[in-house]
Amino acid sequence: QVQLVESGGGVVQPGGSLSLSCAASGFTFSNYGMHWVRQAPGKGLEWVAFIRYDGSNKYYPDSMKGRFTISRDNSKNTLSLRMNSLRGEDTAVYYCARGSDPLEIWGQGTMVTVS
Amino acid sequence: QLVLTQSPSASASLGASVKLSCTLSSGHSGYAIAWHQQQPEKGPRYLMKLNSDGSHNKGDGIPDRFSGSSSGAERYLTISNLQSEDEADYYCQTWGTGIWVFGGGTKLTVL
Repeated sequence: QVQLVESGGGVVQPGGSLSLSCAASGFTFSNYGMHWVRQAPGKGLEWVAFIRYDGSNKYYPDSMKGRFTISRDNSKNTLSLRMNSLRGEDTAVYYCARGSDPLEIWGQGTMVTVS
Repeated sequence: QLVLTQSPSASASLGASVKLSCTLSSGHSGYAIAWHQQQPEKGPRYLMKLNSDGSHNKGDGIPDRFSGSSSGAERYLTISNLQSEDEADYYCQTWGTGIWVFGGGTKLTVL
């Protein structure tokens, strides 16, 4: 069964840092590009970051460059997101998703509250 | 700039059909998109990839009631024989070189 399970969410003070993880199972993790996507309360989906299957390239929207870092460990089937200098507007559910172009598989998300 | 525009809301009756739209920004009419469904209090679910020629590839387990079509810069998601569980938010999504974009979403109400 293909599955993505996010963890690491919680409450953090403004200016603080937090790391999220996404555990992948049921497929060959090292074959797929991976994304982080977030959703603020009552709002739509916002793309956060992408990493190629081998970690060779990483992309971010301009609004998140320099504060967020995506990484992966293919030996552990794990995707990560390091978030620094957090602000109130970063409060959201953070989802990991599989797929280079269409995001084909989604996790259930982990909530991050900056307060 | 790569932008997707969706109507904020739509409604249709149980058992009827509904056609949701997603508009690509100027200069991007040849782009493929994806449709995603998000039921209340759940994570998103991939429905299909929709190409500019209207061909589409659905995700695993997506019912035949869901179909896609294209016309110029417009991309459509048609849901036939609406069921109560189809009441959800629907997002279109596209991509370019190093960028991925979501539309604002359409909230579908099943009457």
